[in-house]
Amino acid sequence: QLQLQESGPGLVKPSETLSLTCTVSGGSIRNDNYYWAWIRQPPVKGLEWIGTIYYRASTDYNPSLQSRVTISVDTSKNQFSLRLTSVTAADTAVYYCARHPVGGTPPYYMDVWGIGTTVTVSS
Amino acid sequence: DIQMTQSPSTLSASVGDRVTITCRASQTIYTWLAWYQQKSGKAPNLLIYKASSLEGGVPSRFSGSGSGTQFTLTISSLEPDDFATYYCQQYNHYPITFGHGTRLEIK
Repeated sequence: QLQLQESGPGLVKPSETLSLTCTVSGGSIRNDNYYWAWIRQPPVKGLEWIGTIYYRASTDYNPSLQSRVTISVDTSKNQFSLRLTSVTAADTAVYYCARHPVGGTPPYYMDVWGIGTTVTVSS
Repeated sequence: DIQMTQSPSTLSASVGDRVTITCRASQTIYTWLAWYQQKSGKAPNLLIYKASSLEGGVPSRFSGSGSGTQFTLTISSLEPDDFATYYCQQYNHYPITFGHGTRLEIK
């Protein structure tokens, strides 16, 4: 059974870079049937899609974050990662990684989610 | 961006009730719509994709319908485990966008 697990610092200082990793277990990230995504949820708010990556490294980002976001994949470790630069308090959120099942042309929905990791931006 | 508007924002209901949540898209998304259930402190859980397809393992009391810009999620007979927040999500066009959520609470 596929599982996703987010990891990374829970506290980041303003203006610094947020870095998170999602480890995929129970399946290979090198699978043409899936893309991989990051989504976040600020406290007591709704869900915001951050971006999506295919294991061959093509990416799509939310235009609202595009200038600050990089998503990358490490197939040797079965992981994909998120970097968000120049963070502010507005980036405080629970960050989720998730899987997109491929069907037709992108984008896609998310069928498997990690449990999420809380990141607080504060000095 | 495609805006997704859910209504109501909060819904009070009792066990056994039939409830309907509505999601409206700011432009046509055909049937490229998913519904998720999120319980407090947990990750979202996929219920419905392609507007009306039930995800494996999801109880049959959940159903989805609609196309174009208007969609509904129906729970035919509420059970105690169903009290949660529900989100719709469009995937017709990037950026992927979500509704603001409908909180289903016990009356």
